[in-house]
Amino acid sequence: KAGVTQTPRYLIKTRGQQVTLSCSPISGHRSVSWYQQTPGQGLQFLFEYFSETQRNKGNFPGRFSGRQFSNSRSEMNVSTLELGDSALYLCASSLWGSYNEQFFGPGTRLTVL
Amino acid sequence: QKEVEQNSGPLSVPEGAIASLNCTYSDRGSQSFFWYRQYSGKSPELIMSIYSNGDKEDGRFTAQLNKASQYVSLLIRDSQPSDSATYLCAVNMNTGTASKLTFGTGTRLQVTL
Repeated sequence: KAGVTQTPRYLIKTRGQQVTLSCSPISGHRSVSWYQQTPGQGLQFLFEYFSETQRNKGNFPGRFSGRQFSNSRSEMNVSTLELGDSALYLCASSLWGSYNEQFFGPGTRLTVL
Repeated sequence: QKEVEQNSGPLSVPEGAIASLNCTYSDRGSQSFFWYRQYSGKSPELIMSIYSNGDKEDGRFTAQLNKASQYVSLLIRDSQPSDSATYLCAVNMNTGTASKLTFGTGTRLQVTL
């Protein structure tokens, strides 16, 4: 069974731009969660989508948004990029949600200049 | 108090020894617990999940859970240099009407020859 895939793997943007990251979950998994990982803050929960609905959201500003499609694929968008948004963005999929085992994709490394 | 606490390490153990990694959590109602391994520059990889009090063994890994003490640990027997990585403890926590996976900051393990 194929694992979680994320595209692109690397991105370089400048302040003020926006970015869209994509995640394809493991086949059959309906829950997709997004995390931001930085050396200083560790892994921080952004949001979770299940059946095209945002089920939970972390403490991030409204510049961070996401969506999920009917095939469970998910995208997250960051608008008006700031230097502090430079991070590894990780997507994780699970069958039903955070109660179940979550499997991570390889991540998207975003650098904001 | 942090929601999920781990000693950041590094924890240094000689090859062949037992490595013991510990984690405490704040939400007494948490029901699912996970250990992830993360190599430098890579995404987290699920090692173990545990849902009930007691021990759960999988190969060289044993997870231990004590809900009364709000404590979960991971033992790695016959430690190998390839086990050198950061180990993340993750706890499913309720946030009102939903739940999310909350991560500790990780313990860096070094297995020495």
